[in-house]
Amino acid sequence: EPEVTQTPSHQVTQMGQEVILRCVPISNHLYFYWYRQILGQKVEFLVSFYNNEISEKSEIFDDQFSVERPDGSNFTLKIRSTKLEDSAMYFCASSEALATRPYEQYFGPGTRLTVT
Amino acid sequence: ILNVEQSPQSLHVQEGDSTNFTCSFPSSNFYALHWYRWETAKSPEALFVMTLNGDEKKKGRISATLNTKEGYSYLYIKGSQPEDSATYLCAFITHTGNQFYFGTGTSLTVIP
Repeated sequence: EPEVTQTPSHQVTQMGQEVILRCVPISNHLYFYWYRQILGQKVEFLVSFYNNEISEKSEIFDDQFSVERPDGSNFTLKIRSTKLEDSAMYFCASSEALATRPYEQYFGPGTRLTVT
Repeated sequence: ILNVEQSPQSLHVQEGDSTNFTCSFPSSNFYALHWYRWETAKSPEALFVMTLNGDEKKKGRISATLNTKEGYSYLYIKGSQPEDSATYLCAFITHTGNQFYFGTGTSLTVIP
């Protein structure tokens, strides 16, 4: 069964460093998402991406964050200058085209980011 | 930010017991409610997508109901088994957006 994959599973970085979290969505999906979950809190939406551009973003997704689909398979989340409060589990998800709503979002296993 | 609440936060039941938990969401601008099952170190797994008031969905021993007018959904597990131990998440989606608004989850532990 096709699945969303994410690498790395755990990333440790120092405050102020740039990190790139990588995701490979399901191949025929057209919508891509990033969510995060700070320990003990709800899963929060960051951004959705369609047709090579951001379609929706939350207030969390500020100028420190960016997303990219550099090739036909990867979807990346970059944090330019990490802060301690960026420590969280980051989930990538993908779904089929909007026209087939309501649709399921398929989630990857997450990348745990620890900022020290 | 839309508020989606789940209760209880955690639950311990004996194997064979039936159990249920609640997801509460805003009743306005409702489009769909999703239930996910999430085991530690794995991807959240989609259980149900519910859209219509009065919807009832079933998958094996797990079922869910939806009341959009009062803004709640129940998830039921009949005859709980240890493999049902997981966190159950609900996610609400509006007419006007693609993002999920997640609840805090209910952590279920089934004791053999």
